[in-house]
Amino acid sequence: SYELTQPTSVSVSPGQTASIACSGDKLGEKFVCWYQQKPGQSPVLIIYQDAKRPSGIPERFSGSNSGNTATLTISGTQAMDEADYYCQAWDRNTAVFGGGTKLTVL
Amino acid sequence: QLHLQESGPGLAKPSETLSLTCIVSGDSMSSSSYYWGWIRQPPGKGLEFIGTIHYSGSTYYNPSLTSRVTISADMSKNQFSLTLRSVTAADTAVYYCARPLGVGQQPFDIWGQGTLVTVFS
Repeated sequence: SYELTQPTSVSVSPGQTASIACSGDKLGEKFVCWYQQKPGQSPVLIIYQDAKRPSGIPERFSGSNSGNTATLTISGTQAMDEADYYCQAWDRNTAVFGGGTKLTVL
Repeated sequence: QLHLQESGPGLAKPSETLSLTCIVSGDSMSSSSYYWGWIRQPPGKGLEFIGTIHYSGSTYYNPSLTSRVTISADMSKNQFSLTLRSVTAADTAVYYCARPLGVGQQPFDIWGQGTLVTVFS
């Protein structure tokens, strides 16, 4: 079965840039999306089709996907961005999620 | 505005069958070609895809769960349901229903609030 791998945790200082990687076999040939999930809340879609932002998502969130790695980048990270982040792609009609990355802003 | 609400018992015993329903309001399931989905999240862990259903009845399931899962839809009630058989403690999770952004293999952009199901004896 297809697998997506993310780092367990990433730390960033306020105002700096955070990058979260998501790796999978030939991932660049698939569309990747990213979700943000804060404690006790449902996931929120923040990036889709590798780099598009849904309405209402701040411009500081961006994405890219090439080769075997997709990357979520948060520019000018704010304290409110502290959350779990999940990548997701589709493989043969099955949605595959990465294990999630806890972003700590400190 | 589209709203999804999961409903069902919060407790289940090992070996029993778990049944949950997602009530859709603000949109008609049969008016679009979306594949409506179920996703779950064990406490403290990541998201796991369970499966999707189209208003035509077409379904796709996570291969790891396909032998125990059935997703069905009731268009007259504008809702879809999840049945998970032979549950164990490993099925303890928050269960979410969700709607994709569009037709085809799209990300899920509308999620329910989730409902916690605990399996214990």
